Amino acid sequence: DTGVSQDPRHKITKRGQNVTFRCDPISEHNRLYWYRQTLGQGPEFLTYFQNEAQLEKSRLLSDRFSAERPKGSFSTLEIQRTEQGDSAMYLCASSLGWARGSYNEQFFGPGTRLTVL
Amino acid sequence: TQLLEQSPQFLSIQEGENLTVYCNSSSVFSSLQWYRQEPGEGPVLLVTVVTGGEVKKLKRLTFQFGDARKDSSLHITAAQPGDTGLYLCAGLFAGGTSYGKLTFGQGTILTVHP
Repeated sequence: DTGVSQDPRHKITKRGQNVTFRCDPISEHNRLYWYRQTLGQGPEFLTYFQNEAQLEKSRLLSDRFSAERPKGSFSTLEIQRTEQGDSAMYLCASSLGWARGSYNEQFFGPGTRLTVL
Repeated sequence: TQLLEQSPQFLSIQEGENLTVYCNSSSVFSSLQWYRQEPGEGPVLLVTVVTGGEVKKLKRLTFQFGDARKDSSLHITAAQPGDTGLYLCAGLFAGGTSYGKLTFGQGTILTVHP
């Protein structure tokens, strides 16, 4: 399977703990996005990478959140000192941008469901 | 703030019926994508529309992009139980400095009863 993969699929943690999620994009995609989705809502943008550079961050991304894409391939999203309000589905997407006839179609992974107790 | 309104929020219909989902904004889209999402999974891309007035068909699904590129619709003919799911529209707004982040509608939860 050559789609976007995310790990873990589910994470249950206690308030105050740190968690880290991983995303592996489609191999030839240079753009990578993180979104967050809560129940009954559409996904909301968190941050964007082009290759290894983090070029945009949403105001939703507080100081407790950090994302990296060290070699322009996989990405990690870390949440420090988790709060109950962080409970959500964290989605990763990748795209080719506007190269090779693409219109920046974003392909999503299966998500990581975070529950903070 | 650029908003994207999707309606209706819920649709519950019988197998064989037709339905339409709407996606509207006061701002112009560079492109608009429709996704379908199953519970516990990520959204799956159905179609991308980029040209005003464009119509695309995917089996029983018809997608239309408004002439002014501010609205879009998804029409399903003869719905089947397998069409059940969350349908999301997501737009890339024209202009601005965004690097291609998508703005999503709230989604339409479709349930098709056998």
